[in-house]
Amino acid sequence: SQELEQSPQSLIVQEGKNLTINCTSSKTLYGLYWYKQKYGEGLIFLMMLQKGGEEKSHEKITAKLDEKKQQSSLHITASQPSHAGIYLCGALRGGGYQKVTFGTGTKLQVIP
Amino acid sequence: NAGVTQTPKFQVLKTGQSMTLQCAQDMNHNSMYWYRQDPGMGLRLIYYSASEGTTDKGEVPNGYNVSRLNKREFSLRLESAAPSQTSVYFCAFGQGFDQPQHFGDGTRLSIL
Repeated sequence: SQELEQSPQSLIVQEGKNLTINCTSSKTLYGLYWYKQKYGEGLIFLMMLQKGGEEKSHEKITAKLDEKKQQSSLHITASQPSHAGIYLCGALRGGGYQKVTFGTGTKLQVIP
Repeated sequence: NAGVTQTPKFQVLKTGQSMTLQCAQDMNHNSMYWYRQDPGMGLRLIYYSASEGTTDKGEVPNGYNVSRLNKREFSLRLESAAPSQTSVYFCAFGQGFDQPQHFGDGTRLSIL
């Protein structure tokens, strides 16, 4: 979606390296979701951020939302092959229903 | 995957044929969604249902119809399939406005 830009589109890292994926919105967000998708499978919910400046961590994955609530980053520390997949951000917009606009995804490969 | 069952998992159709994609959730939530995922386009909302008995158009509804049969089931119908509808289709349910959506494993549909 042009409303939500993810970068990079793809990433190849060596096992053990850190990496960051960015998600930028052209509009202020009510909330921001991060999902992971493996090939042939559905989306697995990782984290949700709602407040400006908020940061959440789960295992080796940390997600942050900036103060203006227009940009989020997903950081993976000491990457492992199990981290490989497609990471998607989803922006929760205002409106009468739970309208979520998704980015086009970042494909992550982790080389052992 | 997270209480959402989609059938079938794969399907090949000829142009002009019709078919219905089935989705059922076992979590008793009100909101259900149908998305399509295409390379470089991300996930796009086709239709959604805020509650049993109601349905509304999303971003790309043309060529599709939906039925919210009951609280558990939300089906997507292609009346006359076209090659442009070749895609991966995902069903999801939502727990509430600021809660994450949970996705099924998808239906991979090819139209020749």
